[in-house]
Amino acid sequence: DVKVTQSSRYLVKRTGEKVFLECVQDMDHENMFWYRQDPGLGLRLIYFSYDVKMKEKGDIPEGYSVSREKKERFSLILESASTNQTSMYLCASSSARGTGGQETQYFGPGTRLLVL
Amino acid sequence: GEDVEQSLFLSVREGDSSVINCTYTDSSSTYLYWYKQEPGAGLQLLTYIFSNMDMKQDQRLTVLLNKKDKHLSLRIADTQTGDSAIYFCAERGANNLFFGTGTRLTVIP
Repeated sequence: DVKVTQSSRYLVKRTGEKVFLECVQDMDHENMFWYRQDPGLGLRLIYFSYDVKMKEKGDIPEGYSVSREKKERFSLILESASTNQTSMYLCASSSARGTGGQETQYFGPGTRLLVL
Repeated sequence: GEDVEQSLFLSVREGDSSVINCTYTDSSSTYLYWYKQEPGAGLQLLTYIFSNMDMKQDQRLTVLLNKKDKHLSLRIADTQTGDSAIYFCAERGANNLFFGTGTRLTVIP
């Protein structure tokens, strides 16, 4: 079974703090993704990475950065947390080698971040 | 990104069928997915369909695709309280998936 884990389920931070969200997958997947989920807005892609040290901006990258130093780990960084970054953050991974529907994404359990 | 739209809420009685609808915009061949998110959890893949198919059945789940209207639906037969969750449809793009807003299904006992 594919396993995607996220470092924290719940996190409370103060405005201006630097925040690290970690994601690890154990299936040797090339692609990894960070989304945020907000009520009524669904999932919005922040950043994704298709290889080590590679990153691409998603739909809402402002206020975020990412790091992919190892294939299994993809970190999301909030350089200076703000209250509008209070959200549920979901990490996902997928294989670039599969064909068809098997290229779907596998999700972690999510990190619920509250910025005060 | 692509536009994937869903209604936000659906309520059904236990034992009835649920039908969750989704519209998408990409006209090229693609894969379309249904994910389920239970409270406090990540998304779990339920099923997927390729755009050259019009129907796929998997136990209580039936996916119907109307390619002409770009309309996708997920039918859950004999809906149970354990089916209460948010259901997301997603369309495959070049590098990632485009998700709808999610439909919150509430099953009334």
